[in-house]
Amino acid sequence: GQQLNQSPQSMFIQEGEDVSMNCTSSSIFNTWLWYKQDPGEGPVLLIALYKAGELTSNGRLTAQFGITRKDSFLNISASIPSDVGIYFCAGQRDNAGNMLTFGGGTRLMVKP
Amino acid sequence: GAGVSQTPSNKVTEKGKYVELRCDPISGHTALYWYRQSLGQGPEFLIYFQGTGAADDSGLPNDRFFAVRPEGSVSTLKIQRTERGDSAVYLCASSFTGGWGEQFFGPGTRLTVL
Repeated sequence: GQQLNQSPQSMFIQEGEDVSMNCTSSSIFNTWLWYKQDPGEGPVLLIALYKAGELTSNGRLTAQFGITRKDSFLNISASIPSDVGIYFCAGQRDNAGNMLTFGGGTRLMVKP
Repeated sequence: GAGVSQTPSNKVTEKGKYVELRCDPISGHTALYWYRQSLGQGPEFLIYFQGTGAADDSGLPNDRFFAVRPEGSVSTLKIQRTERGDSAVYLCASSFTGGWGEQFFGPGTRLTVL
């Protein structure tokens, strides 16, 4: 089962709002990755983080690698309708080869 | 440019049958990964190839699952005696070297076992 706890599980957004989600683990990870998945498609890489404390941006997206190496967060600024989808965090550990361990996902939906 | 491709996109089979799922990685990527994604969950690791060899198959759930990559490019995931619990989306990913970091995913094959 999943070893990364991702929150919130789901959230509604209104266009223009900032969005924040995070991922925590009881184990240390040496790489953190954030992916977005749309229905019927595979996950698409958004941001990769390689160093504890690292803060990286990709357009309106900003992600940070926690200093303890046990957490990461993703912020989306000024959300737009196409931000809707499921966001996954994923980590790689020292002693687990090259496999990615995924969180359970955060589903972003648009407020009616 | 061409990304990771997977065929078929959908496969419906009956319990007990054998299925093969194919993955064509990004050209030049030496590392290839298979993951399985159940409804409402994140992907879970199955197996990792570096070149032609399976470097880590610790995620394969049992001996009904097997994967090959005979020429270090295309890979086939094979499932024998399928069970209803095998129903899921099977995702393939590739990366340039297989080291730390970026894995690029295909669109997946949705397998339904009736």
